[in-house]
Amino acid sequence: QVQLVESGGGVVQPGRSLRLSCAASGFSFSSFAMHWVRQAPGKGLEWVAVTSFDGSNKYFADSVKDRFTISRDNSKNTLYLQMNSLRTEDTAVYYCARVGVGAIEPYYFDYWGQGTLVTVSS
Amino acid sequence: EIVMTQSPATLSVSPGERATLSCRASQSVSSNLAWYQQKPGQAPRLLIYGASTRATGIPARFSGSGSGTEFTLTISSLQSEDFAVYYCQQYNNWPAGTFGQGTKLEIK
Repeated sequence: QVQLVESGGGVVQPGRSLRLSCAASGFSFSSFAMHWVRQAPGKGLEWVAVTSFDGSNKYFADSVKDRFTISRDNSKNTLYLQMNSLRTEDTAVYYCARVGVGAIEPYYFDYWGQGTLVTVSS
Repeated sequence: EIVMTQSPATLSVSPGERATLSCRASQSVSSNLAWYQQKPGQAPRLLIYGASTRATGIPARFSGSGSGTEFTLTISSLQSEDFAVYYCQQYNNWPAGTFGQGTKLEIK
């Protein structure tokens, strides 16, 4: 069965960096585009970033552009989110999510990880 | 950017009754609309895609309808496990679409 397991969350000071990982199993990871979606405490869902199946194309929400980087290692079935220059407003649960296509195109999220909490606080 | 507006923000319904949740798009998204259920402390779960197609394993009491700018999620006979927050997502515009703000379905 499809499994997505995030890790790497924690408490970090404003301006610092953090890297999240998402380990995938149960499907052909290298065939699917992958996304990060976040949810601030008590708030709704916000799309963050996407990478195509091979990592050649990537896009970001305006709120994280130039600060966050998305990458993947298909040999390790793992997705990453490098978060730099963190702000208090980046505090959220970060989910990795799969879509049923390989290219970057609007699609629904068919599988989600359980999420990892990032808290940005001094 | 397409804005998705869900109503009501909170819906109180008794178990066994029908629940109707609405989602409106600021411009047409065709049938590129999904619904998700989220319980406290859990990740969202896909319920409906293509506005009306149930995802794998979703009970038949969940149904979706609509196209263009107006969409509805109906739960025909509420079970205790259905009380949760529900989000709609349009995936008509690139690169990932946008979510509504959610409707909390609570026990009356």
